[in-house]
Amino acid sequence: SQQGEEDPQALSIQEGENATMNCSYKTSINNLQWYRQNSGRGLVHLILIRSNEREKHSGRLRVTLDTSKKSSSLLITASRAADTASYFCATGGYNKLIFGAGTRLAVHP
Amino acid sequence: DAGVIQSPRHEVTEMGQEVTLRCKPISGHDYLFWYRQTMMRGLELLIYFNNNVPIDDSGMPEDRFSAKMPNASFSTLKIQPSEPRDSAVYFCASSSRTGVGGYTFGSGTRLTVV
Repeated sequence: SQQGEEDPQALSIQEGENATMNCSYKTSINNLQWYRQNSGRGLVHLILIRSNEREKHSGRLRVTLDTSKKSSSLLITASRAADTASYFCATGGYNKLIFGAGTRLAVHP
Repeated sequence: DAGVIQSPRHEVTEMGQEVTLRCKPISGHDYLFWYRQTMMRGLELLIYFNNNVPIDDSGMPEDRFSAKMPNASFSTLKIQPSEPRDSAVYFCASSSRTGVGGYTFGSGTRLTVV
């Protein structure tokens, strides 16, 4: 069963625009992670945010976490065509990570 | 490190045949995971190992599926006999106890059972 659920399922934007993806989860967590998957490839770890953190940045990525609402968001600023991929949130820690259904992001030149 | 290495990249087999998928985790990682990805069910955790010992195989769909990890650098996922509904992309991933860097995934094996 999936712990996290991403919203929207699909997102289509133009290069240079910002992309925001949301994730909701059901049970309490120690941390939440975001991954990217390019077509035909494995998942790549992007960022981890701990339950006592509210916001974290990595390059053009900004992740927020609201444990009271059991939700997280991933913001990609100034998107590029190379950001086209599926993005997944995941919870569960180092020993049993459960992934959401993902958001498919398409960035058009 | 070359990352998590999976083989083969693609496998096409006939229903009823045995299929063996292979994985070499990152050296020093003590956790190894097998996931299956389909359009209908997304990413499903099948089984994971800690220090070569299977810890949780509750995600293994049926007795036709089995996984082994004979040493720290090698794991297999076997399906016997295979069925068309087993068609999916199978991923292996590894991580360390700290989990700081998240999981490292292999490129996956695309299995097609005809």
